[in-house]
Amino acid sequence: NAGVTQTPKFQVLKTGQSMTLQCAQDMNHNSMYWYRQDPGMGLRLIYYSASEGTTDKGEVPNGYNVSRLNKREFSLRLESAAPSQTSVYFCASSEGVSGGQETQYFGPGTRLLVL
Amino acid sequence: GDSVTQMEGPVTLSEEAFLTINCTYTATGYPSLFWYVQYPGEGLQLLLKATKADDKGSNKGFEATYRKETTSFHLEKDSVQVSDSAVYFCALSDRNYGQNFVFGPGTRLSVLP
Repeated sequence: NAGVTQTPKFQVLKTGQSMTLQCAQDMNHNSMYWYRQDPGMGLRLIYYSASEGTTDKGEVPNGYNVSRLNKREFSLRLESAAPSQTSVYFCASSEGVSGGQETQYFGPGTRLLVL
Repeated sequence: GDSVTQMEGPVTLSEEAFLTINCTYTATGYPSLFWYVQYPGEGLQLLLKATKADDKGSNKGFEATYRKETTSFHLEKDSVQVSDSAVYFCALSDRNYGQNFVFGPGTRLSVLP
């Protein structure tokens, strides 16, 4: 099993450019998440999808959109990148059946630099 | 809202030393508590978890006990190895938040040979 995979691993953008970060999981999980990790701030939730067909905002959703394409895939889009979005982005998934006390499984991350 | 506080480090220890990383939490409900570890260049991996008061999670020689009375979940290991060098995150998952996790800021551990 590959677990949670993310592409690309690293990306450089110019201010105002757009891009989509891809995430896929092969564990048949219902719930998927996007986080950003910044130094000294831990992980902050951007968006999550509790189940296929639903998405909800997390703590820091501004400047991002998401699509739950199917049960396996959950993408994160930056429509107009800003330097403040320079970060490491992690996708995660969980079974999504026990209402908030589950283990989350993380992908390897995408390092994004916005100039 | 819910929050997690942990010692920020960095923590530098010699091999075979005793490790404690403190973690305390604030939660409105009855959360599950987790420790995740992040090795350089990788994503987070679950290290251990505890789902109710007085539960002890353990894995790879690491232990943490869910203490409801002190709202704490301190991570301990008797004898650290160089390979334990990583960033450690304390986290909670609260039913009141649905599937959302709240993470602490992380503690960087460096173990010297």
